[in-house]
Amino acid sequence: EIVLTQSPGTLSLSPGERATLSCRASQSVSSTYLAWYQQKPGQAPRLLIFGASSRATGIPDRFSGSGSGTDFTLTISRLEPEDFAVYYCQRYGSSPPWTFGQGTKVEIK
Amino acid sequence: EVQLVQSGAEVKKPGESLKISCKGSGYSFTSYWIGWVRQMPGKGLEWMGIIYPGDSDTKYSPSFQGQVTFSADKSISTAYLQWSSLKASDSAMYYCARGGSYSDYWGQGTLVTVSS
Repeated sequence: EIVLTQSPGTLSLSPGERATLSCRASQSVSSTYLAWYQQKPGQAPRLLIFGASSRATGIPDRFSGSGSGTDFTLTISRLEPEDFAVYYCQRYGSSPPWTFGQGTKVEIK
Repeated sequence: EVQLVQSGAEVKKPGESLKISCKGSGYSFTSYWIGWVRQMPGKGLEWMGIIYPGDSDTKYSPSFQGQVTFSADKSISTAYLQWSSLKASDSAMYYCARGGSYSDYWGQGTLVTVSS
């Protein structure tokens, strides 16, 4: 089973700053098969990015995904107040099980 | 509009059985996998597995194989997650989500509390 490790655990930033979140896989992951989700307290997760870099429908362009192999990144170019939340990466593909990272919390500094 | 609507919160005792539901609308229910995700209190997301309502094909995470059962009734566009004998450690929020790979639409979650 591929393990995803996200860092940092918590990111303390101010609105307007840039956020860079990391997701590292224990084995190479096809970039076709990496997704990012946002979860706010009391809400279901929301899909942000699939295929490592494709934004889901309705997702603002301040969110971008990149990476390949074992290292993937979610970047929020300028944090808006509504972006403070927990972010998860997920590996999927042709051979289950899919796995989630443990999450990165982006909090207001 | 695509929607997944889950059944309401449940409070059960250890050893009891439970079946929670996830009703899809606004899309062809039989053409998309439905996944189940567990979130224990204050913790992260855990992928439990997926079911294809078109033919009830299922894929379970090894962590949940034998612990839960997925099913679907395509006549009413509803997927189910069930336990035959609940444990306190099954207390969590359970989400259904559309998609056999990444999940683009999610239900609101069903909170399951197991306590004596």
